[in-house]
Amino acid sequence: GAGVSQSPSNKVTEKGKDVELRCDPISGHTALYWYRQSLGQGLEFLIYFQGNSAPDKSGLPSDRFSAERTGGSVSTLTIQRTQQEDSAVYLCASSLQRGRNTEAFFGQGTRLTVV
Amino acid sequence: ILNVEQSPQSLHVQEGDSTNFTCSFPSSNFYALHWYRWETAKSPEALFVMTLNGDEKKKGRISATLNTKEGYSYLYIKGSQPEDSATYLCAPYNAGNMLTFGGGTRLMVKP
Repeated sequence: GAGVSQSPSNKVTEKGKDVELRCDPISGHTALYWYRQSLGQGLEFLIYFQGNSAPDKSGLPSDRFSAERTGGSVSTLTIQRTQQEDSAVYLCASSLQRGRNTEAFFGQGTRLTVV
Repeated sequence: ILNVEQSPQSLHVQEGDSTNFTCSFPSSNFYALHWYRWETAKSPEALFVMTLNGDEKKKGRISATLNTKEGYSYLYIKGSQPEDSATYLCAPYNAGNMLTFGGGTRLMVKP
């Protein structure tokens, strides 16, 4: 596609359920980032992929969070046993190669509400 | 994770005013500094990517400067318009190959 695509755009889930968030980066972009924005907060880094590997998982808030990327393309962020504090907008971004000199392109985000 | 500070947190200006805000970041292991604009209900969009000390970039009424030795960047908006209302985010790109965003400056321009 022309841009970064995220699905679903909105997700309401019950506390304790698992959720999967999907990110389709721009074709050819090898770097992929996940961020989240909780209410009233800034963009919080979660994880970064270069190709299929994740050299930096330092931002994942707990072991309930995991992410994978396959074929150097689609990435899924999985949250197990969701808690109310997981409610946030989850944003995915991609950039060419390592991206340090090139801009990141963001998806529209997934708004997750845990009830 | 880098400590990235942006100030002020929010700013209200009148249409036609010029304004500026600051991004402070660690100067060690610096590679690049990104600026993004994030409008309500939209995705963040890149404004500038700056790499060299003393860099100045301009896009229309918006410009930015970079000081990598002291670890700061300024974003300037000349003659603010209501459509400039947004949150402006900066993100240094460090040796760990990830973008770490500051908390942003929320700009509101009153007509």
